Amino acid sequence: DAMVIQNPRYQVTQFGKPVTLSCSQTLNHNVMYWYQQKSSQAPKLLFHYYDKDFNNEADTPDNFQSRRPNTSFCFLDIRSPGLGDAAMYLCATSRAGTTSEQFFGPGTRLTVL
Amino acid sequence: RKEVEQDPGPFNVPEGATVAFNCTYSNSASQSFFWYRQDCRKEPKLLMSVYSSGNEDGRFTAQLNRASQYISLLIRDSKLSDSATYLCVVNTGAGGFKTIFGAGTRLFVKA
Repeated sequence: DAMVIQNPRYQVTQFGKPVTLSCSQTLNHNVMYWYQQKSSQAPKLLFHYYDKDFNNEADTPDNFQSRRPNTSFCFLDIRSPGLGDAAMYLCATSRAGTTSEQFFGPGTRLTVL
Repeated sequence: RKEVEQDPGPFNVPEGATVAFNCTYSNSASQSFFWYRQDCRKEPKLLMSVYSSGNEDGRFTAQLNRASQYISLLIRDSKLSDSATYLCVVNTGAGGFKTIFGAGTRLFVKA
């Protein structure tokens, strides 16, 4: 089945230790998104790729970076995780076009010790 | 003011009830509108897109009022399985890819 896959599902890191979260898709969608969702809050868009074009939200901290080496894969790098970065990180994909549905992966829950 | 605001909830309703969720958005240039459903500790999934003409999918009806910058979702004949958080979503910005989620309204349907 075509889908959005995120690995790992649970990630534990130490304060200040870099961590990378992975997302892959078999949908061949042009657009890939990364969201941060904290407990009882809405998902918050961090950035998105339209093909290779990277679009960072203005309020996304510099601590968060992303890479998209090819259509299928996208990575979220957190350079120096703080306690406040503990959250669920959701990857989503969509076709080009603003009316397109976004398909979400199951998320990676990040714990920072 | 938040860019997308929803009813605070939670809504507790009996099976068979009709329940309505409201959402307002601040950016008049917003381009597309959706309702997503999110179950506890799961990812959001599209419930329906929202069009100016209004649209219906079974027990669910969505309405958009661009003049008032208001979106609604009506659920008729509520089922236990409708218990979830309902997220109002607005696309805005250049190209329409800036996706803003409302904080969500939690629905509990009781037997």
